[in-house]
Amino acid sequence: SQQGEEDPQALSIQEGENATMNCSYKTSINNLQWYRQNSGRGLVHLILIRSNEREKHSGRLRVTLDTSKKSSSLLITASRAADTASYFCATADTGGFKTIFGAGTRLFVKA
Amino acid sequence: DVKVTQSSRYLVKRTGEKVFLECVQDMDHENMFWYRQDPGLGLRLIYFSYDVKMKEKGDIPEGYSVSREKKERFSLILESASTNQTSMYLCASSQTRYEQYFGPGTRLTVT
Repeated sequence: SQQGEEDPQALSIQEGENATMNCSYKTSINNLQWYRQNSGRGLVHLILIRSNEREKHSGRLRVTLDTSKKSSSLLITASRAADTASYFCATADTGGFKTIFGAGTRLFVKA
Repeated sequence: DVKVTQSSRYLVKRTGEKVFLECVQDMDHENMFWYRQDPGLGLRLIYFSYDVKMKEKGDIPEGYSVSREKKERFSLILESASTNQTSMYLCASSQTRYEQYFGPGTRLTVT
């Protein structure tokens, strides 16, 4: 079953603009993670936010989590062409080791 | 740096063949995972293992089996490959239930 669902499915912006991607999920979580995937490659972990946190920053990344709405957002500020990739949210449930990934948002940053 | 390697980047097999996909990690991680990735569906968990010789079914285990004889190696086996198993296969490892480290992926085509 798919837990996280990203929105939008695809996003095209100019270099220097901010990019915002949203993720919704269905059940209680221990944490939520965001990953990036460059074309045809494996995923790279970007940031993790725990269920008791509301906001987290890492460089140009800002993640928010609203557990009451079961949603998260990833903001990339001052985007660069190198940010062009697919971005996935992933949720880890309160139980075991399974992490469930959404279908991803494809971001294209035009130089 | 954690390194997760997969035996092949591209693989072409015929329907009915037995296929082995190998994954090796070098960080002594307890947990290893196999996912398949298809357009619009994100990553779906096939099997995971939290210890040597231990395995758990994920969301789509049908048609697959796994083997973990050594801590660093996790193999995915397609007993009798079918065309609907054409996909990108991603292996990952983790020490906790949090950050997963992914290999570069194997793009398998079954003809």
